[in-house]
Amino acid sequence: QVQLVQSGAEVKKPGASVKVSCKASGLPFTRSWVHWVRQAPGQGLEWMAVINPRGDTMVYAEKFQGRLSVTRETSTGTVYMELSRLRSEDTAVYYCTKDNSLHDAAWWFAPWGQGTLVTVSS
Amino acid sequence: SSELTQDPAVSVALGQTVRITCQGDSLRNYYASWYQQKPGQAPLLVMYAKDTRPSGIPDRFSGSSSGDTASLTITGAQAEDEADYYCNCRDSSVNQWVFGGGTKLTVL
Repeated sequence: QVQLVQSGAEVKKPGASVKVSCKASGLPFTRSWVHWVRQAPGQGLEWMAVINPRGDTMVYAEKFQGRLSVTRETSTGTVYMELSRLRSEDTAVYYCTKDNSLHDAAWWFAPWGQGTLVTVSS
Repeated sequence: SSELTQDPAVSVALGQTVRITCQGDSLRNYYASWYQQKPGQAPLLVMYAKDTRPSGIPDRFSGSSSGDTASLTITGAQAEDEADYYCNCRDSSVNQWVFGGGTKLTVL
């Protein structure tokens, strides 16, 4: 069974960048699309981006265009999410999750990483 | 881009049936997936491809879809079902995914 393990909590100052990693154990992860989702304190889930297995196709939510970069190491499948020009509103728990799909009609996210708390504070 | 609309809060008496709905244009083209989230925990997939339960999810959870609305039904709600529930769907207008705002389920 695939488990996703993320890097630890981060504290950053406004204007800085943060890079969070997501690695898998269990079933092959190198063939999986991987999404990033975040959740601000007391708020709902927000989809951010997805990356393909080869790491050469990324799709970003419009609100993060230009500030978000998702990459991956193809040898290990480890995925990275880097958010730049941080502001206080970026304080959130960031999750990675594996993409699953069926016949281009249904997509679902499972499993999920444990989450990484990123705190942006001066 | 499209949106998915959920009722912010729903309550149900212990052992009764509750339906949580998710409405959006993208649901006319793609199936929703549903996630349960308890405080301090990562989301957990509870339903996908309209009415498919992942292994380990109790059969009191069921899913359905009609037109622009997807539903998650809990038949015989238990105390442990109290949680936030989120729907998700691919956005048919752009190549992205979108979550509903979430429904806080209270089991009385």
